[in-house]
Amino acid sequence: NAGVTQTPKFQVLKTGQSMTLQCAQDMNHEYMSWYRQDPGMGLRLIHYSVGAGITDQGEVPNGYNVSRSTTEDFPLRLLSAAPSQTSVYFCASSRAGPSEKLFFGSGTQLSVL
Amino acid sequence: GEDVEQSLFLSVREGDSSVINCTYTDSSSTYLYWYKQEPGAGLQLLTYIFSNMDMKQDQRLTVLLNKKDKHLSLRIADTQTGDSAIYFCAESNQAGTALIFGKGTTLSVSS
Repeated sequence: NAGVTQTPKFQVLKTGQSMTLQCAQDMNHEYMSWYRQDPGMGLRLIHYSVGAGITDQGEVPNGYNVSRSTTEDFPLRLLSAAPSQTSVYFCASSRAGPSEKLFFGSGTQLSVL
Repeated sequence: GEDVEQSLFLSVREGDSSVINCTYTDSSSTYLYWYKQEPGAGLQLLTYIFSNMDMKQDQRLTVLLNKKDKHLSLRIADTQTGDSAIYFCAESNQAGTALIFGKGTTLSVSS
């Protein structure tokens, strides 16, 4: 049982480059979300989705786009990477919403130079 | 808006009890959570407490909730070196659409 799978595990970008962080879950979860983790800042919500075709912004959405075309996948796109987006990114999912147990991926460590 | 506050560091000796404290702002949260993050890994749900409970015990873990003071604590009995990790307190936001996490408490256990 794979759970929540994030790829890549590590990525280095130059300022201005774009890329997509992948997140897939095989538990048929309706709720998926993206967090970023920064030292001294804890986890901050970027975007979330309560089901296929439905997305909404979290606390820190600027510079990121998401889409949810299938139940399984919830990619996070960085349109024009900035050094301020250097962070560890976590995808998390749950059966119906955040009040249920959240399953986290192992994270993507992103550096923007 | 909602906010969750935790102390950042705790250091204990193996075999001692650890107590990690948390304060939160949104009294409407139905559940309050403790998540654990081991080095290089994502977070895992450790335990949770329903908002109308004062205490929940789960093996070595005891969660205490003081709703009046909006204070949540996690006690780990007989702390082991394998308990070294970052512990996050979390509550639901008012809309029920996301969890708000504290900054995390780094627990260091020395032998």
